[in-house]
Amino acid sequence: DIQMTQSPSAMSASVGDRVTITCRASQDISNYLAWFQQKPGKVPKRLIYAASNLQSGVPSRFSGSGSGTEFTLTISSLQPEDFATYYCLQHNSYPSFGQGTKVDIK
Amino acid sequence: QVQLVQSGAEVKKPGASVRVSCKASGFTFSSYYMQWVRQAPGQGLEWMGLITSSGASTSNAQKFQDRVTMTRDTSTSTVYMELRSLTSEDTAVYYCARGSGFDIWGQGTMVTVSS
Repeated sequence: DIQMTQSPSAMSASVGDRVTITCRASQDISNYLAWFQQKPGKVPKRLIYAASNLQSGVPSRFSGSGSGTEFTLTISSLQPEDFATYYCLQHNSYPSFGQGTKVDIK
Repeated sequence: QVQLVQSGAEVKKPGASVRVSCKASGFTFSSYYMQWVRQAPGQGLEWMGLITSSGASTSNAQKFQDRVTMTRDTSTSTVYMELRSLTSEDTAVYYCARGSGFDIWGQGTMVTVSS
């Protein structure tokens, strides 16, 4: 099974900050990587697919990069509505999620 | 619109089984794999398994291998997930999601296992 190691597990940030979250796969997954945002009590929402493609309707401050085993989600200027937990997902083989990154207010 | 609507919350006793349904609308149901994901209280997302677009094949996470069955009914555009031999550790929100990219999710079904 492919393990996804996500870091950091939690972070505090301020509105306007640039935020970077990393996921590392235990083996090459090409670009079969998606990023999700989840707010408390809500359904996960896909932000990025195929490692770097922005989901329709998602603000352009979100971006994804990487291929192979190293991937990054970047929020260029954190907004109040972005405080949430973020998960990566690989679906190159049997799917697996990262353990999540909780972004809260500094 | 494209949506997945799941069945309502369930309360079960240890050792029982639960079946959760997920009804699709707004897209060609028979063209998509369907996935199941769960989330225990305060925990992360955990992939459980998938069923292929035809329903002919399923793949489950090893953790659930002997306890989960996934089926689909093309006539009603509904996919089902049955989990057997429930314990308190199965208390979670269960989600269905569309396709290999998990682009559309159901609203979630809370399953509580308690004596």
